[in-house]
Amino acid sequence: DAGITQSPRHKVTETGTPVTLRCHQTENHRYMYWYRQDPGHGLRLIHYSYGVKDTDKGEVSDGYSVSRSKTEDFLLTLESATSSQTSVYFCAITYDRNTEAFFGQGTRLTVV
Amino acid sequence: GEDVEQSLFLSVREGDSSVINCTYTDSSSTYLYWYKQEPGAGLQLLTYIFSNMDMKQDQRLTVLLNKKDKHLSLRIADTQTGDSAIYFCAEIKQAGTALIFGKGTTLSVSS
Repeated sequence: DAGITQSPRHKVTETGTPVTLRCHQTENHRYMYWYRQDPGHGLRLIHYSYGVKDTDKGEVSDGYSVSRSKTEDFLLTLESATSSQTSVYFCAITYDRNTEAFFGQGTRLTVV
Repeated sequence: GEDVEQSLFLSVREGDSSVINCTYTDSSSTYLYWYKQEPGAGLQLLTYIFSNMDMKQDQRLTVLLNKKDKHLSLRIADTQTGDSAIYFCAEIKQAGTALIFGKGTTLSVSS
């Protein structure tokens, strides 16, 4: 398995609270991504990073922010969680464009 | 269309062939991918095809690409119960960086 660790694996939080999910890689890959997976929608890109401090928005970025201060860590923050952000969140990494994407095991987030 | 499209469900009997279809969006996409997701797990790359190919075979898997129609298919020969999973088609658009996924096809294999 590629060295990708997501934490936490499960979290239940209350509406309006901030939440940070962490993705840690040991592969020294340049690109890192956050996706959310919802029934009927497949995987949708939230944000991605193409290097330290270099990030860009994806398809469903509203309500989310990211930070990448080190190559190995990519953080996803929900500033004020809402019930619509209940989902399974996946981190992925690629060495470069057009190379295989490796996925973490996912974080199941429930906002009550 | 703007989305990568797949049928949502496919049910087959063990030993039969499964064919999962996908329509992608960008005729300039250079690589097209098939990922598999087992219950409770992340996604694993099954196979991919470069856009200058029409077909790629890898053991029980055959990928067919029709660039004119932007149609991609994955054929699984001799389908086994262990093939039951969700299969995602994905592309990287010419101007993009990230994989864009279809909604996934749930393959159910009965014995």
